[in-house]
Amino acid sequence: GAVVSQHPSRVICKSGTSVKIECRSLDFQATTMFWYRQFPKKSLMLMATSNEGSKATYEQGVEKDKFLINHASLTLSTLTVTSAHPEDSSFYICSARDKRGFNEQFFGPGTRLTVL
Amino acid sequence: ELKVEQNPLFLSMQEGKNYTIYCNYSTTSDRLYWYRQDPGKSLESLFVLLSNGAVKQEGRLMASLDTKARLSTLHITAAVHDLSATYFCAVEEDPYSGAGSYQLTFGKGTKLSVIP
Repeated sequence: GAVVSQHPSRVICKSGTSVKIECRSLDFQATTMFWYRQFPKKSLMLMATSNEGSKATYEQGVEKDKFLINHASLTLSTLTVTSAHPEDSSFYICSARDKRGFNEQFFGPGTRLTVL
Repeated sequence: ELKVEQNPLFLSMQEGKNYTIYCNYSTTSDRLYWYRQDPGKSLESLFVLLSNGAVKQEGRLMASLDTKARLSTLHITAAVHDLSATYFCAVEEDPYSGAGSYQLTFGKGTKLSVIP
């Protein structure tokens, strides 16, 4: 299957700082990427859909000014958590849709964010 | 709004036993995915089911899809400890339904513990 990477895998930051998470499709072009958030022992919650060259579509209840998404190229989407607070601590997972075949989503390894 | 229900949410089973996890969903869809998640890790794709009646098997796991009943099952045969993990089903929105973008809606997950 296709490979998706995320960087960093783990980040600890102080409250009030901003954190950028990168999601890359390594061996395919992804016009659509997705950002999910997962709390401990919970399921994945879709935060936003990121389309290359256009604004992201955010799910209801997700603050677009807090979670900035940029999909500047066909292989890279970034999620920036601005002015992070402890309640933003979570596991963030991206996925990228591979248009070859049947549009399956491939998931990155996730980023564990801890805000102190 | 697409709803996906998994049951059971917790499953403790002895090695060597068989069991089935159920995934029900609320709207028309022909595409369903099963994933495995180990603690602290991202999702590992297990099965992609793309049509009514689809059945796929890999090792001790077998998944099936009945789109008319809006039901998928993940059957575990002769469980072994290595199968202990959380299993998620995810249903893909029909991209032409208005939801667009091939979004996935996840079930809450089934935490499987296989006891020696």
